[in-house]
Amino acid sequence: AQRVTQPEKLLSVFKGAPVELKCNYSYSGSPELFWYVQYSRQRLQLLLRHISRESIKGFTADLNKGETSFHLKKPFAQEEDSAMYYCALSPSSHGGATNKLIFGTGTLLAVQP
Amino acid sequence: GAGVSQSPSNKVTEKGKDVELRCDPISGHTALYWYRQRLGQGLEFLIYFQGNSAPDKSGLPSDRFSAERTGESVSTLTIQRTQQEDSAVYLCASSFRVGYGYTFGSGTRLTVV
Repeated sequence: AQRVTQPEKLLSVFKGAPVELKCNYSYSGSPELFWYVQYSRQRLQLLLRHISRESIKGFTADLNKGETSFHLKKPFAQEEDSAMYYCALSPSSHGGATNKLIFGTGTLLAVQP
Repeated sequence: GAGVSQSPSNKVTEKGKDVELRCDPISGHTALYWYRQRLGQGLEFLIYFQGNSAPDKSGLPSDRFSAERTGESVSTLTIQRTQQEDSAVYLCASSFRVGYGYTFGSGTRLTVV
């Protein structure tokens, strides 16, 4: 079964501390993985996608196929990083058609001053 | 418009009534998705439209739920004989193509009383 697991409902850190939001997935194929973020009173938005291998707002995420993980990391947390973070998996077809995303239950990151 | 537009933003309805939720995707986005987010839970996939292909309805929770999309434009999600467990935020998203992630609307908060 295709599944995304985010084991932490809440992660609280102090400003300047490193952050790691955990995401594990279950998928038999070659996955496409994403992180989405929802700041307070804003809509859900794409943070980063693994195929781009990009760093957005200081966040990075590396796909580890051996551990089936896609953890989101940032070396020094900022107060403005406080938000809800969702990991998502796309079981895309080889035809290239956009397909549905399977979301984890989300982790609320609270960065304390 | 520049983003995905959903209406209404809030809807309170009596149990047993029908409701219709609207989503206007980004122009040129061929894929459109509906998700449901209950309080304290993750995003639950409902239905997916891709161009003129048959929609993926695998996430619709019951036959009280249906959705339509005209071409590559507006979509409506209809819930008949609403129940209290239908109370949730209903999110719409559109996508240009695989690997680019979704653009979400701000959602419709449905409350069934």
